[in-house]
Amino acid sequence: SYELTQPPSVSVSPGQTARITCSGDALPKQYAYWYQQKPGQAPVLVIYKDSERPSGIPERFSGSSSGTTVTLTISGVQAEDEADYYCQSADSSGDVVFGGGTKLTVL
Amino acid sequence: QVQLVESGGGLVKPGGSLRLSCAASGFTFSDYYMSWIRQAPGKGLEWVSYISSSGSTIYYADSVKGRFTISRDNAKNSLYLQMNSLRAEDTAVYYCARLWFGEGRWFDPWGQGTLVTVSS
Repeated sequence: SYELTQPPSVSVSPGQTARITCSGDALPKQYAYWYQQKPGQAPVLVIYKDSERPSGIPERFSGSSSGTTVTLTISGVQAEDEADYYCQSADSSGDVVFGGGTKLTVL
Repeated sequence: QVQLVESGGGLVKPGGSLRLSCAASGFTFSDYYMSWIRQAPGKGLEWVSYISSSGSTIYYADSVKGRFTISRDNAKNSLYLQMNSLRAEDTAVYYCARLWFGEGRWFDPWGQGTLVTVSS
């Protein structure tokens, strides 16, 4: 079955830039999406179609794509950005797939 | 504002059944695909099922195919998930979400979730 691979954890200091990657063979042909999930809360969409930012999401969140890897970048990380981040895409038949999630720790 | 509120979760024995509901408001429910996604305790997200705006197209993850049934009532702005033959591995928080279905597929927004616990 198709898989999206994320690092289990990323740590950054406040004000620095955090980069969370997501790898998958179908990513050159399928859009990627990113969700932020804080403890005890539902996921929130922060990036759609690789690099589009929904209204209400701070500009410090951005997305990019290169080959089989997509990247969520958080510039000027704030303490409130500490959360789990999940990438999501689709396989060749269109079935939805989630990455395993990355825990972002703000030191 | 757009709101999704799940209900119906609880404790059920293995082999039992449960019906989840999701009440939608703040948007034209009948215009959108809808979906259920679950998250086992301490684990990641797993897509479960989705249904087209009219209800004519339905997909299930292999893990629930034949046991779960998704449905909707556009007159009541409601989404449902009938879960039968429940197993311990179905224990999870179940979220309903609006599914954007077209050039891509993504979920926005999500409800707050309802916990289903399958245990004897």
